[in-house]
Amino acid sequence: AQKITQTQPGMFVQEKEAVTLDCTYDTSDPSYGLFWYKQPSSGEMIFLIYQGSYDQQNATEGRYSLNFQKARKSANLVISASQLGDSAMYFCAMREPNTPLVFGKGTRLSVIA
Amino acid sequence: DSGVTQTPKHLITATGQRVTLRCSPRSGDLSVYWYQQSLDQGLQFLIQYYNGEERAKGNILERFSAQQFPDLHSELNLSSLELGDSALYFCASSANGGRSGEQFFGPGTRLTVL
Repeated sequence: AQKITQTQPGMFVQEKEAVTLDCTYDTSDPSYGLFWYKQPSSGEMIFLIYQGSYDQQNATEGRYSLNFQKARKSANLVISASQLGDSAMYFCAMREPNTPLVFGKGTRLSVIA
Repeated sequence: DSGVTQTPKHLITATGQRVTLRCSPRSGDLSVYWYQQSLDQGLQFLIQYYNGEERAKGNILERFSAQQFPDLHSELNLSSLELGDSALYFCASSANGGRSGEQFFGPGTRLTVL
């Protein structure tokens, strides 16, 4: 069974600093995808970044990067140069082939000026 | 803007009633997913359709049903509503056969059952 764990209910970061949001996962399938989504207070779910289990390099998308440590089954999201607009809930999710996304409980990030 | 549209944005109704939530996927996406987000349960997968056919079922109650039409839009029907059905309902779409199957979410429908 799939499982996603986000151990940080809330995080604070100073504007312009980098922050790491933790995510660990559990699967026995060698093929899977890992995703991060952002949910601002307005409610929409915004896709941020994807990492495939066979990808050799860590994924990056602008200020977002995914620190993928396969042996540890972790897929931490790193946000560089935090901005006030980054304040939101962040969800880690995983998908095995032909199965739906399974989400973690999320981490609420607050960026402080 | 993800390209996925959902209507209505807000819905307030009473217990025992029936409502229909509507979703239009991104152009070209064949898969539609429905999720429920509540404070106590988090984000829960309900059901997936692919090109009109049910593909996967999650924690969807028997009082809930969904379908995907030939034009690929989807509807989620919720009946005999209970207070606990109050939640944010998301529709997401993906292009099957895409690199990863990343799903793009609509803005959600916030359902309040009084």
